[in-house]
Amino acid sequence: QVQFVQSGAEVKKPGASVKVSCKASGYTFTSYTMQWVRQAPGQRLEWLGWINADNGNTKYSQKFQGRVTFSRDTSANTAYMEVSSLTYEDTAVYYCARENFPQCGGDCPLDCWGQGTLVTVSS
Amino acid sequence: DIAVTQSPLSLPVTPGEPASISCRSTQSLLHSNGYTYLDWYVQKPGQSPQLLIYWGSYRASGVPDRFSGSESGTDFTLKISLVEADDVGVYYCMQTLQTPRTFGQGTRLEIK
Repeated sequence: QVQFVQSGAEVKKPGASVKVSCKASGYTFTSYTMQWVRQAPGQRLEWLGWINADNGNTKYSQKFQGRVTFSRDTSANTAYMEVSSLTYEDTAVYYCARENFPQCGGDCPLDCWGQGTLVTVSS
Repeated sequence: DIAVTQSPLSLPVTPGEPASISCRSTQSLLHSNGYTYLDWYVQKPGQSPQLLIYWGSYRASGVPDRFSGSESGTDFTLKISLVEADDVGVYYCMQTLQTPRTFGQGTRLEIK
C-alpha cells in the first residue's frame, strides 16, 4: 500500500537550516506530485507548496518563496523539503502529502500523508 | 489570498446524532472544469490529516457514506449523518482553486 516515511524530529537554532525527507513506497513515485504542509502548535494547517516528482518543477507559497526548497531523488523515491534561516515561528510539524490522482500537477486533493516531522527552533 | 472560515470551532455531539460543519470562502471556488475546489480533511488525535471529501462532494476512497459534502455558492457544508465515537478529531476545509492553498481554522468535534 501507499506509504510515506518521514525523517525524524529535529532541533535547530535560529538562523540554521533543516532538511526533511519523505520516502515513498507502494506506487510509482514519478507519477504523482508531492505537496508539503506544516502545522505550528495550536495553529491551522499551512500549505508550503509542491514538487512534481517527475520533472522536478516546483511551486512555492509566496510566504515561503526563497526560504523553502523542494527537491527529489527519483532513484530513492524520496522527496525533500529544506527550510533556511529558521525562526522560532518555523517550529511546526511538517507533512509531505501525495495528490490523489496521477499527473495532477498541483491542484488535486491530498489522499496520503506522511507521519509528520517535528522541527523545533530553539536557542 | 482566498480565505476560508469555518464554524463552529467546537462541536460537541452525542453519538448517533447528526453533525454539520460549515466553511465559507471569500470567493467562488468553481473551476472552469466545472468542479468546485474545496476539500474536507479530518485530523484524528495523534494522526496526520486524512482526506474525507474532495471537490465539494466526492467521498474519498474508504470514507463511509455517513459523510457528505454540499455547497451553495461560497458556503460549504460537511455533514455526518450519524456520529460515532471514532469521528472525534479536528475537521478542516481547504480550498485548492488558487495558490496558496488555504485551510480553515479547524472544527474540533468532541463526543458528549
